[in-house]
Amino acid sequence: GESVGLHLPTLSVQEGDNSIINCAYSNSASDYFIWYKQESGKGPQFIIDIRSNMDKRQGQRVTVLLNKTVKHLSLQIAATQPGDSAVYFCAETSGTYKYIFGTGTRLKVLA
Amino acid sequence: DAGVTQSPTHLIKTRGQQVTLRCSPKSGHDTVSWYQQALGQGPQFIFQYYEEEERQRGNFPDRFSGHQFPNYSSELNVNALLLGDSALYLCASSIGDRGNSPLHFGNGTRLTVT
Repeated sequence: GESVGLHLPTLSVQEGDNSIINCAYSNSASDYFIWYKQESGKGPQFIIDIRSNMDKRQGQRVTVLLNKTVKHLSLQIAATQPGDSAVYFCAETSGTYKYIFGTGTRLKVLA
Repeated sequence: DAGVTQSPTHLIKTRGQQVTLRCSPKSGHDTVSWYQQALGQGPQFIFQYYEEEERQRGNFPDRFSGHQFPNYSSELNVNALLLGDSALYLCASSIGDRGNSPLHFGNGTRLTVT
C-alpha cells in the first residue's frame, strides 16, 4: 500500500517500551481533542479523545494528556507492539466537525 | 455492523474532467464530513453535511460540491480537475452536527489526476 507520511517526523521505539507522541495545537478555543492512528492504505482510526475540562484520560494501553496552558497534547502508548507502527495524528476542534489535524508522527516499532 | 464505506477505492482522471465520490456512513450515523489528504500531510476539512444540507465548509473552491441523501449517504463532486486535486479523499461520519463526538473515517478514495 501507499505510505501515508513520507517525510513525517519519526519516533523509533523498541518493542515493549513505552512511546510518547507529542502535539502542539493552535487554537486556544478548541475544546475537544482526538488522537487518530493511520496505517498505510487506510483511513484514520480513532484511538482516544479528551475534552478541555480534563487533563488526563486513559484507555487500553493508551493515555492522553492535555496541557491547556501551553496548548500541548500527548499520547502515551504502554508496552508498544509491532501493530502500533503507523502514523499518528492529533486533531482539535471547537464544537464542530471541522477538525484541524496536526502534521502527524510516524511511529516505528523495532523488534 | 458496517463502518464507513467509500467507493471507488482508486480513480484516475484527466485534467479538466469531473469526478463523483461516494460514501455510506456508519450505521446509526447521520452526519457526513469530507476531508482531503495530500501525501505526507494531515487531512484537511472540505465540508460537512447534516439533514441533507451543507452545514460548514473549509477553504476549498466552489469546484468542490456535495450532496447528502435521505438515507444519510453522501457524494463529493469535483469539477474541472486540476493536478493538485490528486489526493486521498476521506469520508467520515458521526452523530448529530455539534462536533462533540469522534469522527469515524472510511479508508478513502485515492484520486490521481493526470
